[in-house]
Amino acid sequence: QKEVEQNSGPLSVPEGAIASLNCTYSDRGSQSFFWYRQYSGKSPELIMFIYSNGDKEDGRFTAQLNKASQYVSLLIRDSQPSDSATYLCAVKGGYQKVTFGTGTKLQVIP
Amino acid sequence: DGGITQSPKYLFRKEGQNVTLSCEQNLNHDAMYWYRQDPGQGLRLIYYSQIVNDFQKGDIAEGYSVSREKKESFPLTVTSAQKNPTAFYLCASTGQGADTQYFGPGTRLTVL
Repeated sequence: QKEVEQNSGPLSVPEGAIASLNCTYSDRGSQSFFWYRQYSGKSPELIMFIYSNGDKEDGRFTAQLNKASQYVSLLIRDSQPSDSATYLCAVKGGYQKVTFGTGTKLQVIP
Repeated sequence: DGGITQSPKYLFRKEGQNVTLSCEQNLNHDAMYWYRQDPGQGLRLIYYSQIVNDFQKGDIAEGYSVSREKKESFPLTVTSAQKNPTAFYLCASTGQGADTQYFGPGTRLTVL
């Protein structure tokens, strides 16, 4: 089992729809959770981080964390073509190590 | 402007050569990291450093070396011992007591 798992996609959504990206992790001692966006050929840029169970909203983005079920998700409301990218989930585990998932490719169709 | 810079953006190397990738930050961050990214794969940790003059191996350190003589700088050398060095190399840093890693623009290394 991979430490951090994401569906590679591509996930295709129409413009204006909600995109839902999911990530599961294996280390129950994980403390911090991050979502990065990576455009093709570019470096990852931080979108959000979340530490506590529940939802965290920032503009069109909402991160959701459920430690009991060991998953973290990212919702993108009113998806735009400019949101088309690969989204990386990263988890900081009990040993302070940050592990990245392989990413989910999102395609927003105009 | 505060940030992380990496140079060069593109680098070509002949087999058997050592090359050094530069990473500089002016964010006053203590910790710095080197990752490698291959197509369709996540980021894999090569080396990291939490303070000057100290660094630790990551998951795939073989064939790589680093130094941390200054807080601002964390260069990575890809040696001829690295069997498959063609990849996208990313440098990141983290402030003291913080979790979030911020990335430089990356260096794409191609072995000819």
